[in-house]
Parts: sequence; structure tokens; C-alpha cells
Amino acid sequence: GENVEQHPSTLSVQEGDSAVIKCTYSDSASNYFPWYKQELGKRPQLIIDIRSNVGEKKDQRIAVTLNKTAKHFSLHITETQPEDSAVYFCAANDYKLSFGAGTTVTVRA
Amino acid sequence: GAVVSQHPSWVICKSGTSVKIECRSLDFQATTMFWYRQFPKQSLMLMATSNEGSKATYEQGVEKDKFLINHASLTLSTLTVTSAHPEDSSFYICSATGTSHTYEQYFGPGTRLTVT
Repeated sequence: GENVEQHPSTLSVQEGDSAVIKCTYSDSASNYFPWYKQELGKRPQLIIDIRSNVGEKKDQRIAVTLNKTAKHFSLHITETQPEDSAVYFCAANDYKLSFGAGTTVTVRA
Repeated sequence: GAVVSQHPSWVICKSGTSVKIECRSLDFQATTMFWYRQFPKQSLMLMATSNEGSKATYEQGVEKDKFLINHASLTLSTLTVTSAHPEDSSFYICSATGTSHTYEQYFGPGTRLTVT
């Protein structure tokens, strides 16, 4: 099955700075790579996703890059704000999702 | 659109009893539903995948006789935790995909189960 590794496990950034989270996956057949934001006790919220035929995707302050050759993808959040503080999960696959372990992001005001 | 609900949002039960959790797609037909379990400060772990009218496919290590999944219609799947024990206490989340053949999964709000 798919194995997704996510780093770092915790990330503290100053408000206004950028945050970068990296994930690697093992199954070269994976085609879909979503990123989720989860607040305590809430459902995961899809913030951006990318498919294997695209190398980069951006949505306002959030961007994702994908390197299929190296089997890694990254989430970039620019101009971080306190409301960006949450746990972020990467995931990979198409039919079934395998999740990374999560990154707790804290944005310091 | 693409709203998924779960009921109950939280439940407390005594050890040895059974608990049923419902997952409903409110505005679309869910061809596939997924059930996840999430322990505190951990990631989502897929328990099983269910397709309407078919038996669920369980992930390795998940006891199918303990976690009964029924997907009787295109808008409803249920997870029954049988003979619950304190170690079954967790956050259970369902998700669903529609008939549009996209990969995106729509998540329910989760059910917090506490077994005393």
C-alpha cells in the first residue's frame, strides 16, 4: 500500500512569514495529492489538491508543488496569519487516501 | 454542495455495548464511503471502504466482526462498533465520493466515541 511521510511534525512561524511542509510517498501509481487543514475536534478541510499531470498549483496564499520523479510534494503558505494555526495533513493516492502524520503549525503574532 | 453529515456528533457508552454511527450524503449520491478513525494527536487511519450494495473492504488489522459497516443506499452508510471497549474510544470520521468520478473525498464532521 501507499506510505506517506510528512515533515516537520511541528512548525512555528512568525506572522507574515512563510511555512513549508513536505511529504514523500511510495506508490508511483498515486495520482491525487490533497492537503487538509484540521482544527481541534473538527473535520479535515481540503485546502488545495494537485493531480499528477500538474507540477504546481496556487490558490491565493497557498501553493502546492509536486515532483513525481522524486515522489514528493510540498505545501507552501505565504504571509501566514494567526488563523492559519492548525494541523495540516498531506495525503496521496486516488481511490483510497493514505495520510501523512500531520504537521502542527503555530503562527506567532 | 457535497455535504456529508454524521450522527451522533458525540456518544458515551458503557463497555460491552454497541454503538451505531450514521454517515449521510445530503446533496449527492455517494458511490463510495470511507470510515476513518483518529486517535488524539494522530493522523486519520482508514478503517474500511464501502460501496453501495456491497460488502465493505476492511484495512489490514481492522476487525470486521467488531466494526460492522452497512452501505444500504447511495446516501447512507452506518458503522456499528460492537462490544465496545475503552480502547475503541476515538474520533470516527466518514467521507464520501460522488458519481462525478473525481478523487475528492467529502468528510463528515466526525463522531467522538467515549467508552467507559
